[in-house]
Amino acid sequence: QVQLVESGGGVVQPGRSLRLSCAASGFTFSSYGMHWVRQAPGKGLEWVAVIWYDGSNKYYADSVKGRFTISRDISKNTLFLQMNSLRVEDTAVYYCAREGLAAAGLADWGQGTLVTVSS
Amino acid sequence: SYELTQPPSVSVSPGQTATITCSGEALSRQYAYWYQQKPGQAPVLVIYKDAERPSGIPERFSGSSSGTIVTLTIRGVQAEDEADYYCQSADSSGTVVFGGGTKLTVL
Repeated sequence: QVQLVESGGGVVQPGRSLRLSCAASGFTFSSYGMHWVRQAPGKGLEWVAVIWYDGSNKYYADSVKGRFTISRDISKNTLFLQMNSLRVEDTAVYYCAREGLAAAGLADWGQGTLVTVSS
Repeated sequence: SYELTQPPSVSVSPGQTATITCSGEALSRQYAYWYQQKPGQAPVLVIYKDAERPSGIPERFSGSSSGTIVTLTIRGVQAEDEADYYCQSADSSGTVVFGGGTKLTVL
């Protein structure tokens, strides 16, 4: 079955960097678009970024554009989110999600990894 | 980017019908999706492409669309349906947006 396992979260100071990983299994990773979605404590879902199945296109939320970079390593079935210049407001649980084929929505989600930005 | 607007909360008694709306200008051109999230858990997709139901989602969950408003309907609400519900869509540039979420309370 589809499995998405995030890692790399932790406590980091403002202005520093962090890289999140999402290990994918149970499906052909190279055939699916992948997203990062975050949720600040007690708040709603906020979409962060998407990378197309072949890596040809990447899109970002305005709140992270220029600071975050989404990427994927097909050989390792892993999705990444490089987060630079972190701010207190980036504190959240970060989920990776697989987009279903033919506009089927974010069909599968990991359990999330917590990022805390604090001095 | 654009916004999707949902009511903050909806309350319903067990066995009744819950209706959650989501409004946004782009919904007349783009598909809508609905997610259920229970405390401490990851979201679960319950409706895709406005009205399609993924396998494993109970038939009491349904979706509809009319112009710039989409609706999630839960018939015969059960206690286990108490959760936060989020609508989601995308714009033509490829970016994704979520609504603010609706807390469904089963009285």
